[in-house]
Amino acid sequence: QKEVEQNSGPLSVPEGAIASLNCTYSDRGSQSFFWYRQYSGKSPELIMSIYSNGDKEDGRFTAQLNKASQYVSLLIRDSQPSDSATYLCAPSWGYQKVTFGTGTKLQVIP
Amino acid sequence: SAVISQKPSRDICQRGTSLTIQCQVDSQVTMMFWYRQQPGQSLTLIATANQGSEATYESGFVIDKFPISRPNLTFSTLTVSNMSPEDSSIYLCSVGGQEETQYFGPGTRLLVL
Repeated sequence: QKEVEQNSGPLSVPEGAIASLNCTYSDRGSQSFFWYRQYSGKSPELIMSIYSNGDKEDGRFTAQLNKASQYVSLLIRDSQPSDSATYLCAPSWGYQKVTFGTGTKLQVIP
Repeated sequence: SAVISQKPSRDICQRGTSLTIQCQVDSQVTMMFWYRQQPGQSLTLIATANQGSEATYESGFVIDKFPISRPNLTFSTLTVSNMSPEDSSIYLCSVGGQEETQYFGPGTRLLVL
C-alpha cells in the first residue's frame, strides 16, 4: 500500500508570507514528484514537478525533495489570496501511476 | 499541455441506472486515466485506458461496474453502471504528458438519488 501523508490543514498564512506545505511518502521506488493545486469545485492543476534531490524553483514556488527521508515540500513565497486552494502531493512510481495525498488546504488571509 | 473536455459536466441520476462520461482531448495521447474523487477526499485511480488494449483496473474497481472504452487516441468513455448513492462523486479523466506528468479534465459531478 503506497501511502502519501499530508497535513490536511487548513494552513492559514497572512498575505505576503511564505506558505510551507509538507508531504511524506512510503514508496521508496517513487522517482517523480508532483504538486497539484485544486481550487474548490475545480479539477487539479499541475504546478510543480521535481525529479532529483534538492530544490527546484519556478516563480514564487519552490519544491524541495529529499528521497532519503522520503519527504517533499512546496514553498510558496509572497502568498496571495489567489493561492488559497488545496495542494495535493503526488509521487509517481512509474508508468505515470501516481498516488495522491489527501491534500493540504491553504488559506491566505488578506 | 493538452486541452481536455468532459461531458456531461454534471448529472443527477436515479439508482439502478447507468451514466456514460465522455472525455475528449485535442491531441493524440497514449495514456488516459479515469479517477474518482469522493466528497472531501483525494483522487483515487479507477483505471488506465490505453488505445487498442483492454483497460487496466485498480484494486477495488471492476469492469462490470466501470466499463471503459478507448476507440482512438483522443477519446475515451467511462460508464458507471447500476448506480447507487455511493457512486456520487466527481469523475475525472486525465492524460499523460511528458516526464510522468498528468493533466486533468474539468470533471463530471455525479449525484445518485
